[in-house]
Amino acid sequence: KAGVTQTPRYLIKTRGQQVTLSCSPISGHRSVSWYQQTPGQGLQFLFEYFSETQRNKGNFPGRFSGRQFSNSRSEMNVSTLELGDSALYLCASSLAEGGGYTDTQYFGPGTRLTVL
Amino acid sequence: GNSVTQMEGPVTLSEEAFLTINCTYTATGYPSLFWYVQYPGEGLQLLLKATKADDKGSNKGFEATYRKETTSFHLEKGSVQVSDSAVYFCALRGSGAGSYQLTFGKGTKLSVIP
Repeated sequence: KAGVTQTPRYLIKTRGQQVTLSCSPISGHRSVSWYQQTPGQGLQFLFEYFSETQRNKGNFPGRFSGRQFSNSRSEMNVSTLELGDSALYLCASSLAEGGGYTDTQYFGPGTRLTVL
Repeated sequence: GNSVTQMEGPVTLSEEAFLTINCTYTATGYPSLFWYVQYPGEGLQLLLKATKADDKGSNKGFEATYRKETTSFHLEKGSVQVSDSAVYFCALRGSGAGSYQLTFGKGTKLSVIP
């Protein structure tokens, strides 16, 4: 079974631009979560989608948004990029059966975003 | 809210040495606990997990026991190899509605020298 895939793997943008990142979950997984990883803040939760609905959201500004499609694929968008948005963005998928908190989240390789 | 505290390292060990990485947590209810490993340039890989008190997770020689009385989930390995060099993250997943996201510790960088 194929793992979680993320595209693109690397992105370079300039301040003020916007960016869209894509994530394809493991086949059959219904939940997709996004995390931001930086050297200073570590791994921080952005949001989770389940059955095309945002189920939970972390403490990030409204410039960060996402969506999930009917095939469970997900995209996240960052508008008006700032230098501090430079990070590794990780997507994770899980089955999300029975509430979900015992589920394992499986991570993709990440998208490395650099904002100049 | 939920939080995870782990020793930040870096930790440098000789091959075949014993490894312990401490992890303690704060959470309400009955969280699930995880150890993930990240190799350079890659995403996170699940190493092991435990979903209830006194459960022991194990994989590839690594072990961790869910200790509710001490709110701990320490990672151990009896004999490390050079290939174990990576960053290790302790994480929990809350049991309350709206808290299913993973909360991570800061990570511990392990370097194993021959």
